[in-house]
Amino acid sequence: AQTVTQSQPEMSVQEAETVTLSCTYDTSESDYYLFWYKQPPSRQMILVIRQEAYKQQNATENRFSVNFQKAAKSFSLKISDSQLGDAAMYFCAYSFYGGATNKLIFGTGTLLAVQP
Amino acid sequence: GAGVSQSPSNKVTEKGKDVELRCDPISGHTALYWYRQSLGQGLEFLIYFQGNSAPDKSGLPSDRFSAERTGGSVSTLTIQRTQQEDSAVYLCASSSGQGTQPQHFGDGTRLSIL
Repeated sequence: AQTVTQSQPEMSVQEAETVTLSCTYDTSESDYYLFWYKQPPSRQMILVIRQEAYKQQNATENRFSVNFQKAAKSFSLKISDSQLGDAAMYFCAYSFYGGATNKLIFGTGTLLAVQP
Repeated sequence: GAGVSQSPSNKVTEKGKDVELRCDPISGHTALYWYRQSLGQGLEFLIYFQGNSAPDKSGLPSDRFSAERTGGSVSTLTIQRTQQEDSAVYLCASSSGQGTQPQHFGDGTRLSIL
């Protein structure tokens, strides 16, 4: 069974600094997708960034980038130039490409605080 | 363009009562998912609908949980004889259903069982 592990329940970063959130996963599949979702207090899950496992190049979205290490089954999120609006719960998620449902399997989340 | 809409936003009910949670997906999205987020936990998959295909109910925790999707659009998640452990945020997501298009989430329903 696939699992996703986030070992940092809470993280803190100073405004304008850089922070890295860790995620590891376990799967026997070779084709899959990995995601980082942000959940502010409004509860809505917002997609931050997505990585296809078959792509060697790390995905980037403005201030957000990932370090995808397929062999190590590691998928960390780097937030550069942190802003107050980045404060939220961040979830790492996995989806098997080619599965019948493409359901997301989530980690338990990392609560990020941004200090002014 | 409207996003995924869920109602009610919050629901408080007594143990043993039945509850219905509603999800209105993004127009044109054929795939619809229900997830449950318990306090301090990540999200767990409950059920998946895709078009007119039989739903994937593999994540439903007990036979007290059921869901339907009428006309390929609006979905209702029903919990019968609610228990305190059913207290959680129930999130709905939809996607275009093509390949692994991103899932778009609603704001969820916070269910509290007294």
